[in-house]
Amino acid sequence: DIVMTQSPDSLALSLGERATINCKSSQSVLFSSNYKNYLAWYQQKPGQPPKLLIYWASSRESGVPDRFSGSGSGTDFTLTISSLQAEDVAVYYCQQYYSNPFTFGQGTKLEIK
Amino acid sequence: QVQLQESGPGLVKPSQTLSLTCTVSGGSISSGHYYWTWIRQHPGKGLEWIGYIYYGGSTYYNPSLESRVTMSIDASTKQFSLKLRSVTAADTAVYYCARDTGPAGKAFDFWGQGTLVIVSS
Repeated sequence: DIVMTQSPDSLALSLGERATINCKSSQSVLFSSNYKNYLAWYQQKPGQPPKLLIYWASSRESGVPDRFSGSGSGTDFTLTISSLQAEDVAVYYCQQYYSNPFTFGQGTKLEIK
Repeated sequence: QVQLQESGPGLVKPSQTLSLTCTVSGGSISSGHYYWTWIRQHPGKGLEWIGYIYYGGSTYYNPSLESRVTMSIDASTKQFSLKLRSVTAADTAVYYCARDTGPAGKAFDFWGQGTLVIVSS
């Protein structure tokens, strides 16, 4: 199985600050035939299901604010929130969908300082 | 807008079978573009992918659960189902159904609200 490791486990920032969450996969999730990274990011608020934010490592899902961006390739990825808003308080998960079984990172809890 | 809704017992006794159904609305379950997926989340923990079923009936299960899992699909009722046999307390979790966009590569774009299943006598 591909192991997904996120860092940090938790993060507390002030409103308006930049948030950076890292995700590392134990093997590459770059599909050579189309040069796409099969890496997604989700946001989960308390009592809610995860919500897809980013797919293919850097493509923003429709309706997701543009302060959310994804980057990286191969085994190292980053989710960035350019200017933290109160509604961004949540747990963020990365997920690889390159190979079965699909696996998730352990989550990063983002809070307001 | 596609919506998914899980249903089933919230309490299951140890050694029995957990059975859940997901009803899809606002879209076709018979589209060849999607894989219908189950994921669970242990209380206060991360996410675990259980497996998926394709509209034609083919399945893929997480090897860690494969010996106890069966999924089925009924296009006429727009439902797909999960059965997990011989449950223990370790199977207590919120169970989500979701749509996997498969070859389109957009991962899991729609999720149900989730249903908590407690395994206890």
